[in-house]
Amino acid sequence: AQKVTQAQTEISVVEKEDVTLDCVYETRDTTYYLFWYKQPPSGELVFLIRRNSFDEQNEISGRYSWNFQKSTSSFNFTITASQVVDSAVYFCALSEVTSGTYKYIFGTGTRLKVLA
Amino acid sequence: DTGVSQDPRHKITKRGQNVTFRCDPISEHNRLYWYRQTLGQGPEFLTYFQNEAQLEKSRLLSDRFSAERPKGSFSTLEIQRTEQGDSAMYLCASSPDRTSSYEQYFGPGTRLTVT
Repeated sequence: AQKVTQAQTEISVVEKEDVTLDCVYETRDTTYYLFWYKQPPSGELVFLIRRNSFDEQNEISGRYSWNFQKSTSSFNFTITASQVVDSAVYFCALSEVTSGTYKYIFGTGTRLKVLA
Repeated sequence: DTGVSQDPRHKITKRGQNVTFRCDPISEHNRLYWYRQTLGQGPEFLTYFQNEAQLEKSRLLSDRFSAERPKGSFSTLEIQRTEQGDSAMYLCASSPDRTSSYEQYFGPGTRLTVT
């Protein structure tokens, strides 16, 4: 069955520290998409990145980087030199192509607190 | 492009009352999704529309829940005879129907409190 696990419920770091948010997924599909979203206190989910199952290249966008490893079914997210504005809940999500609907299966989220 | 909008943002109702929420997706987005998010959890899929056709409903969507998307534009989610367990954030998302883009764009949500 499909599942997304974010084992870290809450992480606190001091500003400028690097932090990695873990995401482990389960799926029987060979074609799927993985996503990261940020949910700030305002509540709106903000899209950060999409990765498909055939593209294991890591990606960097400014202070953000993502490490996708099919061998361990993981799609981890690293924030370099964290800032207070990074404080939010971060969700990892899985979308299976065979579902036809591309609905998301979300993890339970990781709350990141960046302290000044 | 104004993004996904939802109305109302907050709704407080008494148990047993009916409530209706509205979602306006990004224009020309054919796919529309409803999710429910309870405190401390990730959003859970409720239902999916491709244009005006409701193609999938989660088993979370009991008989008291109904959703529509007339003319394939805005969508409504109605909850009849609300229960305290219905208290949650109801999120709407839309996505374009093209193979190059599968990410969903979320609205701000409607927070429902059933007293």
